Amino acid sequence: EIVLTQSPDFQSVTPKEKVTITCRASQSVGSSLHWYQQNADQSPKLLIKYASQPFSGVPSRFSGSGSGTDFTLTINSLEAEDAATYYCHQTGSLPWTFGQGTKVEIK
Amino acid sequence: EVQLLESGGDLVQPGGSLRLSCAASGFTFSTYAMSWVRQAPGKGLKWVSGISGTGSTTYYADSVKGRFTISRDNSKSTLYLRMNSLRAEDTAVYYCAKGESRDGYTFDYWGQGTLVTVSS
Repeated sequence: EIVLTQSPDFQSVTPKEKVTITCRASQSVGSSLHWYQQNADQSPKLLIKYASQPFSGVPSRFSGSGSGTDFTLTINSLEAEDAATYYCHQTGSLPWTFGQGTKVEIK
Repeated sequence: EVQLLESGGDLVQPGGSLRLSCAASGFTFSTYAMSWVRQAPGKGLKWVSGISGTGSTTYYADSVKGRFTISRDNSKSTLYLRMNSLRAEDTAVYYCAKGESRDGYTFDYWGQGTLVTVSS
């Protein structure tokens, strides 16, 4: 099973600041790495698919990069509505797995 | 508009059974793979099971293999999860998630979830 390790686990950020979340895979997943946002008491929402492709309707301040084992989700100019938990997810190898999540709080 | 509506969650005793349903609308259901993903209270996301668009291929996490069965009725645009021999550790919100293609498991839309509680 591929283990995805996100860092940090928690981040407290002021509005308009830049946020960077990393996801490291225990073995290569190619570009089959996706990012989701889960607001409190809501369902997850797809942000970025295949490492760097924004999903339809996702604000342009969200971007992704990486390949193989190291990936990054960047939120440029954080807004209050971005307070959420962010998860990476791999579909490179069964079983599909998720990272443990990164909670982003607004200061 | 894509909509996924789960139902069937309940309080059940250890060793009991339950069937979850997910009614889909807003897209051609048979064209897309579907999955179940669960989230234990206060915890992260865990993929449980997936099924191809035709229903011919199914996948399971090791923790549920042999106890859970995923299926779909494309004529009713409905996804199912039959859960047997339930354990306390199966307690979670169960989400239905749509794949991006017939055999693709990037989850582009999610339902609101249904709560399963396993307790005596």
